[in-house]
Amino acid sequence: GAVVSQHPSRVICKSGTSVKIECRSLDFQATTMFWYRQFPKQSLMLMATSNEGSKATYEQGVEKDKFLINHASLTLSTLTVTSAHPEDSSFYICSAGTSGMYNEQFFGPGTRLTVL
Amino acid sequence: GQQLNQSPQSMFIQEGEDVSMNCTSSSIFNTWLWYKQDPGEGPVLLIALYKAGELTSNGRLTAQFGITRKDSFLNISASIPSDVGIYFCAGHQGGKLIFGQGTELSVKP
Repeated sequence: GAVVSQHPSRVICKSGTSVKIECRSLDFQATTMFWYRQFPKQSLMLMATSNEGSKATYEQGVEKDKFLINHASLTLSTLTVTSAHPEDSSFYICSAGTSGMYNEQFFGPGTRLTVL
Repeated sequence: GQQLNQSPQSMFIQEGEDVSMNCTSSSIFNTWLWYKQDPGEGPVLLIALYKAGELTSNGRLTAQFGITRKDSFLNISASIPSDVGIYFCAGHQGGKLIFGQGTELSVKP
């Protein structure tokens, strides 16, 4: 159980285009989904937290207009990188969390974004 | 932002050796989690700790939640080549996970 998928796993795009990444919880309903960014040899940096049906909460320094998050259902969240630039190239990872005392987060396999 | 202090940053060990890594924080956490990340993949949950002082095992892995709720350690016994990867501790606070910097483990056959 607790499987989270991400699509696509890799994407290469031209500078100025927008890229959408999907995150799905396959066998459970996620009350909250999280989006992280990870640079090589570094830890995971939380970008935003999203709850189904409400606006995402962005971490300080993360541009909400640049990284659009939609959490349309309890099993799907999307991250759209708008007008991508080379500096947006990174490994983007989502996680899905359950409510209650356990506070566990289950991570997707990640999406490698390369902006040319 | 707030971070957990995880050490060591990297370890190079011989197959069969035991490994220990730890995380400390100046803040109290309600839950401590240990994850392993393989290259190009997302972190996989290894052990979750919910109570101060709790000691939990998962196969060759053992982790403890410090009594002060400000630290945790992870031990791996009798390491094998597939233990290679980056291990992260994470503390749960305010609905979010705060991650340590990671410990990169290399195992020589």
